[in-house]
Amino acid sequence: GNSVTQMEGPVTLSEEAFLTINCTYTATGYPSLFWYVQYPGEGLQLLLKATKADDKGSNKGFEATYRKETTSFHLEKGSVQVSDSAVYFCALRPSGGYQKVTFGIGTKLQVIP
Amino acid sequence: GAVVSQHPSWVICKSGTSVKIECRSLDFQATTMFWYRQFPKQSLMLMATSNEGSKATYEQGVEKDKFLINHASLTLSTLTVTSAHPEDSSFYICSARGGRGGYEQYFGPGTRLTVT
Repeated sequence: GNSVTQMEGPVTLSEEAFLTINCTYTATGYPSLFWYVQYPGEGLQLLLKATKADDKGSNKGFEATYRKETTSFHLEKGSVQVSDSAVYFCALRPSGGYQKVTFGIGTKLQVIP
Repeated sequence: GAVVSQHPSWVICKSGTSVKIECRSLDFQATTMFWYRQFPKQSLMLMATSNEGSKATYEQGVEKDKFLINHASLTLSTLTVTSAHPEDSSFYICSARGGRGGYEQYFGPGTRLTVT
């Protein structure tokens, strides 16, 4: 079946540090890949996505590249801010139309001043 | 565009009572809505999928008689937790798909349910 594996948190970084949150997936074909962000007490917001191999999704300084060869979609940001503190979910949607989204466990990021 | 709202944002109810959570797509027609449950420090667990005008499809292990889902219109789905117990306390998130969004799912802000 489909699955998403992401690093367990929490991840604690100082402001302006470089961020990497690892995500790997298992799926047949070419799924679409997503990163969602959940701020405290809120629902999920789509952060970025990529729909085919070698695509790079980017938003608000965050980037992730769809790597088919390593089945990965790692999230990166060059300089984190306190306001980036949240839980980040990696997710996939299988190819082939209206499929269900599968989420990873979520990685909590805490950025300290 | 593609805004999904939930009401209430939080609710406290007594054990044995029922509580209804609404999910609305504000600016698009949601042909499909999803209900998720999120446990503390855990990922989202899909509870059920509902298509407008038809019965919801529940995931394995989810009690359909306890979690009643109605998707009576293209902009509204409701989740009713019947005879709630403290173990039903959780964060419930709905998601909607449809309109110009195609395959994309848009998530509501979630509802925090506490059963005392």
